[in-house]
Amino acid sequence: DIVMTQSPDSLAVSLGERATINCKSSQSVFYSPYNKNYLTWFQQKPGQPPKLLIYWASTRDSGVPDRFSGSGSGTDFTLTISSLQAEDVAVYYCQQHFNIPFTFGPGTKVDLK
Amino acid sequence: EVRLVESGGGLVQPGGSLRLSCAASGFTFSSCAMSWVRQAPGKGLEWVSVIVDGADTTYYEDSVKGRFTVSRDDSKNTLYLQMNSLRVEDTAIYYCVKLSGNTAYYPADVWGRGTTVTVAS
Repeated sequence: DIVMTQSPDSLAVSLGERATINCKSSQSVFYSPYNKNYLTWFQQKPGQPPKLLIYWASTRDSGVPDRFSGSGSGTDFTLTISSLQAEDVAVYYCQQHFNIPFTFGPGTKVDLK
Repeated sequence: EVRLVESGGGLVQPGGSLRLSCAASGFTFSSCAMSWVRQAPGKGLEWVSVIVDGADTTYYEDSVKGRFTVSRDDSKNTLYLQMNSLRVEDTAIYYCVKLSGNTAYYPADVWGRGTTVTVAS
């Protein structure tokens, strides 16, 4: 199975400041014939289901604010919130859908400082 | 508007069975692969199973293999998860998840609100 790790476990960021979350896979999730990284980022607020933020590692979903961005390739990925807003307080998960089982990272909790 | 509405959760004793349903609307259900993902209380997300369009291919996480069966009825726009031989560790919110394409390897793009399964004596 591909093991997904995230760092940090949690972080507290001031309003308007940058938040950076790292996700690492135990093997590459890049599929060269399609030139795609099979890596997705989700946001989960308390009491709500997860919501898609970023797919194919760097494509923002429709309606997601442009302060959210995804980067990386192969085994190392980053989710960046360029200017944290109060509504961004949530747990963020990465998931690989390259190999079955499609594993998730343990999550990173983002709070306001 | 794309909607996924799960039902069928509840309290069941260890060794018992439940059948979850997910009613889909707002998209061409028959053209999309669908998944189940679960979240134990206070824990992270765990992928459970996926079924592709046409229902000819299914995959499962190892701990549920042989106990859970995913199926779909495209005429009713409904996804199912038959759960047998339930264990305490199956206690979780079960989310129905739409994938953005017809095979298992597409990103998940829409989640239902979930249905709660509690396995306890």
